[in-house]
Amino acid sequence: AQSVSQHNHHVILSEAASLELGCNYSYGGTVNLFWYVQYPGQHLQLLLKYFSGDPLVKGIKGFEAEFIKSKFSFNLRKPSVQWSDTAEYFCAVSLSGNTGKLIFGQGTTLQVKP
Amino acid sequence: DTAVSQTPKYLVTQMGNDKSIKCEQNLGHDTMYWYKQDSKKFLKIMFSYNNKELIINETVPNRFSPKSPDKAHLNLHINSLELGDSAVYFCASSQSIYEQYFGPGTRLTVT
Repeated sequence: AQSVSQHNHHVILSEAASLELGCNYSYGGTVNLFWYVQYPGQHLQLLLKYFSGDPLVKGIKGFEAEFIKSKFSFNLRKPSVQWSDTAEYFCAVSLSGNTGKLIFGQGTTLQVKP
Repeated sequence: DTAVSQTPKYLVTQMGNDKSIKCEQNLGHDTMYWYKQDSKKFLKIMFSYNNKELIINETVPNRFSPKSPDKAHLNLHINSLELGDSAVYFCASSQSIYEQYFGPGTRLTVT
């Protein structure tokens, strides 16, 4: 069965530190990849997405992610985090041509200290 | 101008009761979804409807019954609630199979 794995469950950083959150998926076919963010008490919002083309995608709020097909990875990065980036981050995959069903990773809690 | 809305936001009820959660989207999307987020924040899809037709039905107890009266609405009815049903339920919508827009969630607590 397809699955998504996020390696970091809880990350604590100081402001201005660089961030990289790992995401790997298990599926050999064509996939669509997403990172969603859930700020405390809020609903999920899309940070960025990859469907095809340039494997380096830029999202909102200075986030970017790189799709490395050979490694089945879609890691999220930000050069300098802010306190307001404190949130839960979810990597998700949908199978291309499928019903749109999203398979989520278990999430990473990011805590940024001021 | 809320894109995806859910009611109620909080729902506290006793075991054995029947309850419903409503979802509405004003984005004109064709597809709507229900996800369950457990206490460890893990999100799992439950159902999906496309133009009022059920297209995804994951391994969910048949006490859960989704209903889509029109493509802008997808409601979730739960019979005989159990403690394990306590979770946050998110509704989402999308156009085609791409980006999904999520509602604010309904926190269900079964006592």
